[in-house]
Amino acid sequence: KNEVEQSPQNLTAQEGEFITINCSYSVGISALHWLQQHPGGGIVSLFMLSSGKKKHGRLIATINIQEKHSSLHITASHPRDSAVYICAVGGGADGLTFGKGTHLIIQP
Amino acid sequence: AAGVIQSPRHLIKEKRETATLKCYPIPRHDTVYWYQQGPGQDPQFLISFYEKMQSDKGSIPDRFSAQQFSDYHSELNMSSLELGDSALYFCASSSQGEKLFFGSGTQLSVL
Repeated sequence: KNEVEQSPQNLTAQEGEFITINCSYSVGISALHWLQQHPGGGIVSLFMLSSGKKKHGRLIATINIQEKHSSLHITASHPRDSAVYICAVGGGADGLTFGKGTHLIIQP
Repeated sequence: AAGVIQSPRHLIKEKRETATLKCYPIPRHDTVYWYQQGPGQDPQFLISFYEKMQSDKGSIPDRFSAQQFSDYHSELNMSSLELGDSALYFCASSSQGEKLFFGSGTQLSVL
């Protein structure tokens, strides 16, 4: 079973700061997902990565397959970015293995 | 654009009762996943279906069963409910292993 570790578990930052959330996993994977979960529970898929780097707006996700590591970056953070960010690995017909999430709070 | 639809949004049951949760994936998505997220916990994979056939099983109790129908909607059936079954149940769908789309979840409370 893949072990997924996220850091930090909790992060509080000021509006405008550059945010980095890290994810490491133990077993080689076909894909890694970054998810965002807001209070109330809804989950939104931000990125699915199998190699390299993806960018969407102020969000950037990178993955290093050899090092089994991925990072999610948020530039010019805003209070509306406050959420739980979850790294999940796996995919295809198999279910995902989730990390415990990073609770991010962006203060105005 | 159509999203993943789950029903009901909220469900309250008593111990030993039965519950049925429904998931309607995005049209033309071939894979459906069910996840359980307990209070303060990370989501746990329960079961998945690919083209209406069960494709993988996770930590799904024997009291739970699921199926996918000809119209691709899926149902999670939960019997002999226990207090510990209280959780948020998510359904997600994808097409050919690509990006996942999640439903809003069904919040099940077992009293």
